[in-house]
Amino acid sequence: DAGITQSPRYKITETGRQVTLMCHQTWSHSYMFWYRQDLGHGLRLIYYSAAADITDKGEVPDGYVVSRSKTENFPLTLESATRSQTSVYFCASSEVSGTLGYTFGSGTRLTVV
Amino acid sequence: GQQVMQIPQYQHVQEGEDFTTYCNSSTTLSNIQWYKQRPGGHPVFLIQLVKSGEVKKQKRLTFQFGEAKKNSSLHITATQTTDVGTYFCAGTSSNTGKLIFGQGTTLQVKP
Repeated sequence: DAGITQSPRYKITETGRQVTLMCHQTWSHSYMFWYRQDLGHGLRLIYYSAAADITDKGEVPDGYVVSRSKTENFPLTLESATRSQTSVYFCASSEVSGTLGYTFGSGTRLTVV
Repeated sequence: GQQVMQIPQYQHVQEGEDFTTYCNSSTTLSNIQWYKQRPGGHPVFLIQLVKSGEVKKQKRLTFQFGEAKKNSSLHITATQTTDVGTYFCAGTSSNTGKLIFGQGTTLQVKP
């Protein structure tokens, strides 16, 4: 889906470093989400945002920070990366009603060494 | 907390055989969505069911939402190699309004 892009696609970082994953959507969707996907755990919600300047914690928010100063961008920051944060991260967006489901980005594969 | 359980976790079938994955919630859902994720890809929205007992079809795929709105199923008739991937259900809690994903069922199809 060209309407939601994530960058980078792959990232290797060292333990303790700060890293930011970017998410940009062109749909003007109100809602945006960050998920992590790990074997055996499916998709787990990290943070979500209902609109610009409104964010809320999901299921696994510890160690992550988000911001949403503009509707189209929803960056996810790992303040001090740990090996347990090695995962595939997906950004998603949806319109308010959610009837058309979530649109996911292509994902960022993050490895913390 | 609320959970959405999906079974089986893995399924291997011969091409042409049918396949079903089941989704069960501990609480009532206001709707259920289904997604497909191809290997190495991202989840792609397939369909949403809202009404109790609702059945929807997309070609060889049949989706059902239980009468109590706590369970759902996806049935694929005569699987093809293009059906390979992981199928996720995701339910919106009637209490919290949050979408909760099941753990997914990974389908392998042998040609």
